[in-house]
Amino acid sequence: DTAVSQTPKYLVTQMGNDKSIKCEQNLGHDTMYWYKQDSKKFLKIMFSYNNKELIINETVPNRFSPKSPDKAHLNLHINSLELGDSAVYFCASRPRLSGGASEQYFGPGTRLTVT
Amino acid sequence: AQKVTQAQTEISVVEKEDVTLDCVYETRDTTYYLFWYKQPPSGELVFLIRRNSFDEQNEISGRYSWNFQKSTSSFNFTITASQVVDSAVYFCALSGFLIQGAQKLVFGQGTRLTINP
Repeated sequence: DTAVSQTPKYLVTQMGNDKSIKCEQNLGHDTMYWYKQDSKKFLKIMFSYNNKELIINETVPNRFSPKSPDKAHLNLHINSLELGDSAVYFCASRPRLSGGASEQYFGPGTRLTVT
Repeated sequence: AQKVTQAQTEISVVEKEDVTLDCVYETRDTTYYLFWYKQPPSGELVFLIRRNSFDEQNEISGRYSWNFQKSTSSFNFTITASQVVDSAVYFCALSGFLIQGAQKLVFGQGTRLTINP
């Protein structure tokens, strides 16, 4: 069984469109994250949610809106897509009660290409 | 601010050679955690190891070993007798004080390791 899953795996769209990426984890974790990996492989955190509550928002343009319908899901909606949004987006989760002493479990990534 | 530096952008070695990937970090937190992740060509991120700031014991797992030195703020990763399957991008990451239970991982730039047959 997949622990952290993302759909779709690939997303090709045109500038100006609105798109969503879905993330689900079946690990029972409380905390979920979105990361962006750019073309140079640099990974940067975008958002973190704890049990549906937004905790971390790392100066991401407000065209990006995360939504957590329940603690097992964290979706990423992007409005008015721009060329610079092309990247691989990773979802991750971890158990909150472990304190800092646990790793994050990453999904397989969604490669977004904006043309 | 937290920072992780992986000065080696790319490393290329011949199979069976030993190779060390460097990681230097900066943090003002007294409690922090260090991680290594592997990203093979297939693209997923694979967790390798976690180390907290109070545990400076080195660790060995098969051909992999990690050397944590607080005095030099380094957490280096060595692969012994490298194999072609070790070819990947390796990331060192740092997490400090939790923010309302959320762990903010700061990643290094990654080191692309190529093992040639």
